[in-house]
Amino acid sequence: KAGVTQTPRYLIKTRGQQVTLSCSPISGHRSVSWYQQTPGQGLQFLFEYFSETQRNKGNFPGRFSGRQFSNSRSEMNVSTLELGDSALYLCASSLEVVGGRDTYNEQFFGPGTRLTVL
Amino acid sequence: GEDVEQSLFLSVREGDSSVINCTYTDSSSTYLYWYKQEPGAGLQLLTYIFSNMDMKQDQRLTVLLNKKDKHLSLRIADTQTGDSAIYFCAADGSGYSTLTFGKGTMLLVSP
Repeated sequence: KAGVTQTPRYLIKTRGQQVTLSCSPISGHRSVSWYQQTPGQGLQFLFEYFSETQRNKGNFPGRFSGRQFSNSRSEMNVSTLELGDSALYLCASSLEVVGGRDTYNEQFFGPGTRLTVL
Repeated sequence: GEDVEQSLFLSVREGDSSVINCTYTDSSSTYLYWYKQEPGAGLQLLTYIFSNMDMKQDQRLTVLLNKKDKHLSLRIADTQTGDSAIYFCAADGSGYSTLTFGKGTMLLVSP
């Protein structure tokens, strides 16, 4: 079974530009979450999509947005890039199991996209 | 919101046991996780524990959970140089598919 794939793996942009990152979840997984990892702030939750709907959102400015397609693939977009947006962006997919929170639901992480803003 | 804290660095000798500690704030966390990250790689789930358990053992890994103190630990027995990595504690108190991570503990294993 193929794992979570993220493209591109590396990206260099300049301040003010915008960027789109892509995540393909494991086949059958309908939930996709995005995280930003930086040396200073660590791993921070950006947002989570399930069945094309944003279900949870972290504390990030509106420049960060995302969407999910009917095949569960997800994209995240960052507009008007700032130097501080340089980070490793990780995507995770999980299999939503009907039954509520007590059902274990492992998140599988992709290798990440390393974004450098110059 | 949820806050997760862990020590930043641990150095051990090969063959010793390693213990990485973590504290969390949200008592509604259902699952608590330990992830491993090697340089240039994503996150690999090592193990997890359900909040109504006190201990879980998985081969060389032992997770201890003290719900009263909101304290989680990961013990790695017979630590090997290949265990050198950053270890993250995570809790799901903020939502079902939303994890709050600690800053990570860098484990350095010397021969």
